[in-house]
Amino acid sequence: QKEVEQNSGPLSVPEGAIASLNCTYSDRGSQSFFWYRQYSGKSPELIMFIYSNGDKEDGRFTAQLNKASQYVSLLIRDSQPSDSATYLCAVRNAGGTSYGKLTFGQGTILTVHP
Amino acid sequence: NAGVMQNPRHLVRRRGQEARLRCSPMKGHSHVYWYRQLPEEGLKFMVYLQKENIIDESGMPKERFSAEFPKEGPSILRIQQVVRGDSAAYFCASSPLLGGAVPGELFFGEGSRLTVL
Repeated sequence: QKEVEQNSGPLSVPEGAIASLNCTYSDRGSQSFFWYRQYSGKSPELIMFIYSNGDKEDGRFTAQLNKASQYVSLLIRDSQPSDSATYLCAVRNAGGTSYGKLTFGQGTILTVHP
Repeated sequence: NAGVMQNPRHLVRRRGQEARLRCSPMKGHSHVYWYRQLPEEGLKFMVYLQKENIIDESGMPKERFSAEFPKEGPSILRIQQVVRGDSAAYFCASSPLLGGAVPGELFFGEGSRLTVL
């Protein structure tokens, strides 16, 4: 079992729709969870982070965390063509809070078509 | 405030040559991480360093790969006797020792793309 696994893509949604990206992790003691966006040929950039169970909203983005199910998701509302990118789920394992490696999923390619 | 700087951005080597990739962390950051990314795959952790110390090298191949972060100068990822399978994008990231706007966030450089002929 992979440490961090994302739903297989690619995912294609029409402009204005909700895009739902999912991620599961194996280490039950994981402390913090991140979503990075990576445009083709570019570096990953952080778009959301979440540490506690529940939902966290920031503009059009909502991160959801369920530690009991070891599941984290990212919802993108009113999807725009500019949201087309690879989305990477990343997990920091137990013992690390402010620093330490992140373990990444394989990424989900999202395409938003006009 | 300059971000994480990596060079070279593109490197071409023939099989058997050496590749050296350099990374200067963001100002004030004392932690450096190296990741490898194959085409259409996620980021695979390689090594985590602080100044003059390797903290976690659990993702480093046992042979041919080494990393350092000296007291002065950039962090260097060194690949000896490269093979075609080493062709990938190598990303460096940095983080501060404590705090930051988002605790635990890694800031990534633009990557170094290695092609082995």
